[in-house]
Amino acid sequence: QKEVEQDPGPLSVPEGAIVSLNCTYSNSAFQYFMWYRQYSRKGPELLMYTYSSGNKEDGRFTAQVDKSSKYISLFIRDSQPSDSATYLCAVPDKLIFGTGTRLQVFP
Amino acid sequence: NAGVTQTPKFRVLKTGQSMTLLCAQDMNHEYMYWYRQDPGMGLRLIHYSVGEGTTAKGEVPDGYNVSRLKKQNFLLGLESAAPSQTSVYFCASSYQDRGGIDEQFFGPGTRLTVL
Repeated sequence: QKEVEQDPGPLSVPEGAIVSLNCTYSNSAFQYFMWYRQYSRKGPELLMYTYSSGNKEDGRFTAQVDKSSKYISLFIRDSQPSDSATYLCAVPDKLIFGTGTRLQVFP
Repeated sequence: NAGVTQTPKFRVLKTGQSMTLLCAQDMNHEYMYWYRQDPGMGLRLIHYSVGEGTTAKGEVPDGYNVSRLKKQNFLLGLESAAPSQTSVYFCASSYQDRGGIDEQFFGPGTRLTVL
């Protein structure tokens, strides 16, 4: 079983929609989880992280962890065309990445 | 600060040719990494280094070699390129704060095509 699995999408939504991006993980010992954002033809950059013990909100972005089902989620409220990118979840231990979900927000 | 830089940005090789990809970081990070990114496969770790003079294998090390002679540089070598090594290569570095979050900083990538 892979350490982290992610639905590759693509996901296409209208501007203003609420977006939900999800990953599942296998190792219950992970202390925190990360979300990276990657624009086309660029390197990934850290968007936000959350500890396994709780959720985290940063502006329009919310990261959640459900330890019972080993599920991590990233919610984007009031999505904007500038949010169009690939979103990768990642778990610690030299960073293992999900395959990434490509998101397109159209005006 | 330039952050993480990669040289070259693009390269086309013929099967059997060799090349070296250079990664440089100016953040004084101890840890450096090389990944490859392929459609549907995500980012996969090739090799990494936990400090000057050290290297270790990642998930997909076959066909690649690395060296970390200076703290700020991490080189990735392909001795005999194969079409299966066509990919986008990313270098990253991190501070590895044991008490906190290990944030990796990525370079812009090198697009390599092997014909």
